[in-house]
Amino acid sequence: DAGITQSPRHKVTETGTPVTLRCHQTENHRYMYWYRQDPGHGLRLIHYSYGVKDTDKGEVSDGYSVSRSKTEDFLLTLESATSSQTSVYFCAIKGGGMKNSPLHFGNGTRLTVT
Amino acid sequence: ELKVEQNPLFLSMQEGKNYTIYCNYSTTSDRLYWYRQDPGKSLESLFVLLSNGAVKQEGRLMASLDTKARLSTLHITAAVHDLSATYFCAVDREYGNKLVFGAGTILRVKS
Repeated sequence: DAGITQSPRHKVTETGTPVTLRCHQTENHRYMYWYRQDPGHGLRLIHYSYGVKDTDKGEVSDGYSVSRSKTEDFLLTLESATSSQTSVYFCAIKGGGMKNSPLHFGNGTRLTVT
Repeated sequence: ELKVEQNPLFLSMQEGKNYTIYCNYSTTSDRLYWYRQDPGKSLESLFVLLSNGAVKQEGRLMASLDTKARLSTLHITAAVHDLSATYFCAVDREYGNKLVFGAGTILRVKS
């Protein structure tokens, strides 16, 4: 798994509650990403980071925020969870750290918002 | 806006048969990636295609890239059950920093 750990692996939460998902890497890579996976949509980029405290929005960033205070940790926060945010969330790093390197993904977090 | 379309979205094949999955994209890019995902699992990188005419092969899978046609293909030769999975193509939107994924092709190989 290229040294990527996501936590929690599963979470059920209620609408309106805040939720934080964690991605931890042991590879010291600069680039980290959060994607969500939904049937029929493939994976869609939420936010990504290109260094400590350096983040940028992806294509589906509304309702999500991120933070990266250390190279190894990238946090995704749903400030007030909605049912439309029920999804599988994947964290990824750029394997090898090179621009053309493929992404290596964590095992995913399955989030259900009731 | 970059759009990536895969077809078919679902493919049921008999073992031993050949088939091709297509990945079309809407704007210029010369970096395309193929991934495999088994049910309930993470994504695994299969191929990285970095230039027009690039061809990569691994076992029964062969991927190619035609940047002029904005098309990549994933060809399956003599399918076996172990190839059953979902296959995604992804195109680089911003030089190495933002991949846009297709919706995925669910492949089922029947014996």
